[in-house]
Amino acid sequence: RKEVEQDPGPFNVPEGATVAFNCTYSNSASQSFFWYRQDCRKEPKLLMSVYSSGNEDGRFTAQLNRASQYISLLIRDSKLSDSATYLCVVIYTGGFKTIFGAGTRLFVKA
Amino acid sequence: DGGITQSPKYLFRKEGQNVTLSCEQNLNHDAMYWYRQDPGQGLRLIYYSQIVNDFQKGDIAEGYSVSREKKESFPLTVTSAQKNPTAFYLCASSNVKFNYGYTFGSGTRLTVV
Repeated sequence: RKEVEQDPGPFNVPEGATVAFNCTYSNSASQSFFWYRQDCRKEPKLLMSVYSSGNEDGRFTAQLNRASQYISLLIRDSKLSDSATYLCVVIYTGGFKTIFGAGTRLFVKA
Repeated sequence: DGGITQSPKYLFRKEGQNVTLSCEQNLNHDAMYWYRQDPGQGLRLIYYSQIVNDFQKGDIAEGYSVSREKKESFPLTVTSAQKNPTAFYLCASSNVKFNYGYTFGSGTRLTVV
């Protein structure tokens, strides 16, 4: 079993749709959680940190469930420009073991 | 503006050659990392460094070498021992104390010709 698993995707959605990404992690010593966005042939860029209380940034909402070892990202009212690969990232205690999920590709179509 | 710079953007290597990828950051981050990404796959850790003059092997260190002589710089050498070096190489840095996540460079695309 992989330490961090994401939905395999790809997701194909129309503009304006709500799309949810899920990520599970296996090590309960995990400390910090992030969602990154990676455009085709570009570097990953930090999208959001993920907190137990949940956090929102405009159309994006991230949630962490430590008991279930699960994090999620919700995109509301999706735009064409949201098309990218979304990476789930888990950092373990100490900060030097970071696991990247394989990513879920999103295609938003007009 | 602070950031992390990788060069070159594209690099072509002949069989049997060693090549060095540059990574420089002015974010005052202690930790620096090298990742490799193959098409359609996730990031795999090659090497990382927590402090100057110290570095650790990641999951796929064979055929690679690094140095960390300055806090700002973490070059990666792809040696001839790396049998399948064609990939997208990403350098990253982080402030471990505050754990704000990684900042990545724009990457180097290495192709063996």
